Amino acid sequence: DVKVTQSSRYLVKRTGEKVFLECVQDMDHENMFWYRQDPGLGLRLIYFSYDVKMKEKGDIPEGYSVSREKKERFSLILESASTNQTSMYLCASSRQYTDTQYFGPGTRLTVL
Amino acid sequence: AQSVTQLDSHVSVSEGTPVLLRCNYSSSYSPSLFWYVQHPNKGLQLLLKYTSAATLVKGINGFEAEFKKSETSFHLTKPSAHMSDAAEYFCVVSGRKGTYKYIFGTGTRLKVLA
Repeated sequence: DVKVTQSSRYLVKRTGEKVFLECVQDMDHENMFWYRQDPGLGLRLIYFSYDVKMKEKGDIPEGYSVSREKKERFSLILESASTNQTSMYLCASSRQYTDTQYFGPGTRLTVL
Repeated sequence: AQSVTQLDSHVSVSEGTPVLLRCNYSSSYSPSLFWYVQHPNKGLQLLLKYTSAATLVKGINGFEAEFKKSETSFHLTKPSAHMSDAAEYFCVVSGRKGTYKYIFGTGTRLKVLA
């Protein structure tokens, strides 16, 4: 079974803090994704990566950056957290040249 | 361009009765189509996937979906609802081959009444 884990289930941060969300997958997948999920807006793609040190912007990259130093780990970084980044963040991974994505349990981030 | 429309934002059924969650899609290419389920405060779990091998796709937990090209539909069904099926369900179409991107429907919240 594919296992995608996220470092925290719930996180509370202050405005202006730098926030790291970590995602690890154990199936040697090449592709990894970060989404945010908001009521009424559904899931929106923030960034994705198709290889180590490679990244591409998704639909809403503003205010976020990512890091992929190792194949199994994909980090989402909020350089200076703001209240409008309060959301559920979901990580996913997939094998190269296939489109089935497997999701982690999510991190519910609250920025005060 | 690809798009997906889930026709009902909320569906309520009684336990033991059939479930129908409706999804229409638009695609310029032969699409891959997915249904995912999300229980409260959890991630998305893959229920089933269509990839053109067979039009009737069987998934986990007794769910199945039928791909109908003429109707551009991919509706999700289950013969008998269980209380544990209460969740949000997402229909997804994959982007053009090689882009890896998903296009999500807005979700259908299923309520199961005792």
